[in-house]
Amino acid sequence: QVQLQESGPGLVKPSETLSLTCNVSGGSISSSFWSWIRQPPGKRLEWLGYISFSGSTNYNPSLKSRLTISIDTSRHHFSLRLSSVTAADTAVYYCATYDHSNFLAYWGQGTLVTVSS
Amino acid sequence: EIVLTQSPATLSLSPGERATLSCRASQSVSSYLAWYQQKPGQAPRLLMYNAITRATGIPARFSASGTGTDFTLTISSLDPEDFAVYYCQHRSIWPFTFGGGTKVEIK
Repeated sequence: QVQLQESGPGLVKPSETLSLTCNVSGGSISSSFWSWIRQPPGKRLEWLGYISFSGSTNYNPSLKSRLTISIDTSRHHFSLRLSSVTAADTAVYYCATYDHSNFLAYWGQGTLVTVSS
Repeated sequence: EIVLTQSPATLSLSPGERATLSCRASQSVSSYLAWYQQKPGQAPRLLMYNAITRATGIPARFSASGTGTDFTLTISSLDPEDFAVYYCQHRSIWPFTFGGGTKVEIK
């Protein structure tokens, strides 16, 4: 059973870069697609983007210029970097991945990131 | 992007009652639709995928139907653990999006 765990700062200042890492255990990172999803307080879930095990990416157009997702298969983790953050980027950030269904069957517990000075 | 609209926003029901949740897409998503359950402080949990298929370990009281633009999730008899927020999500074209959710609350 794949297990995912997000880590990173819980507080980021406006205009700075938000960086999170998702550690993958219990399964191979060298397959499937690895995603970042966020949920602002009281709002719907938003799929930010995903990366394949080979490193190809797809980003939500609403964030494309600010978002970078990378993967390090040797260290069994993938990462998110979101630049020039504002209060609107305050959210619970989840990492997630597919199972055979090609939908998000495995999720991390989520980490709250607050953008504030 | 494809917008998913869920209704109602809130459903107030008693344990044992039947729940019917709706998800409508702004354009066809074929059968590329899933349903998730989310409880406070937890990550979403995959319930249904490809519009009608139960995910691993999901009880038979959950069923779903639909194709194209109109989808339904049905809980045949609400268990106390079923009171939660339910989201639909498509993977037809990128960006994949989620609906706004339906909260199933205890009446």
